[in-house]
Amino acid sequence: DAKTTQPPSMDCAEGRAANLPCNHSTISGNEYVYWYRQIHSQGPQYIIHGLKNNETNEMASLIITEDRKSSTLILPHATLRDTAVYYCIVRVRGAGSYQLTFGKGTKLSVIP
Amino acid sequence: GAGVSQSPSNKVTEKGKDVELRCDPISGHTALYWYRQSLGQGLEFLIYFQGNSAPDKSGLPSDRFSAERTGGSVSTLTIQRTQQEDSAVYLCASSLSGFGDRSSKTQYFGPGTRLLVL
Repeated sequence: DAKTTQPPSMDCAEGRAANLPCNHSTISGNEYVYWYRQIHSQGPQYIIHGLKNNETNEMASLIITEDRKSSTLILPHATLRDTAVYYCIVRVRGAGSYQLTFGKGTKLSVIP
Repeated sequence: GAGVSQSPSNKVTEKGKDVELRCDPISGHTALYWYRQSLGQGLEFLIYFQGNSAPDKSGLPSDRFSAERTGGSVSTLTIQRTQQEDSAVYLCASSLSGFGDRSSKTQYFGPGTRLLVL
């Protein structure tokens, strides 16, 4: 799976949008972009994933650039409960690709 | 609906004892995964089940570690003769399938079992 690069930390004011960037310049055509988060002392939580089109669900939006070399996870109205480490990973679609490998992620701190 | 559950949530044991960790996947999920996460570290893959069989056990760190899955549902991870370096959070995840389209492969995690070996 391609490598991803994320800023180590970010702050966001409560109620504002949190925009978390991820670079995946070596992504290949059959790799999806996945986002998970891990709140302290909890298991990782799936957020969203996409291939090339922008995606939105009840938790977040995922914006993928046209060249697919980077993406942004958007939490539209951050709350204190969104404070967590956010992981961006790319995964190949296929039978053998089931291991999840998290990098260091971005530690998002939502500030009151 | 019900998510992945794991038990116990915390386990403290003495070096040399055996421990069993249990995972109940989401109902209907055929794929099940075990990972561990040491303090401040990333995920370390241990084993993957598709149904009751384990096509990939490559992540098990030693022969003291074993896992089984019965009835295509519950899985047990057993650590024999525990060592202090086994202390970690053991995470279980499940997905609708281990292969196929992107939606069926999305892994959903349980809360983990925090193991401390004294």
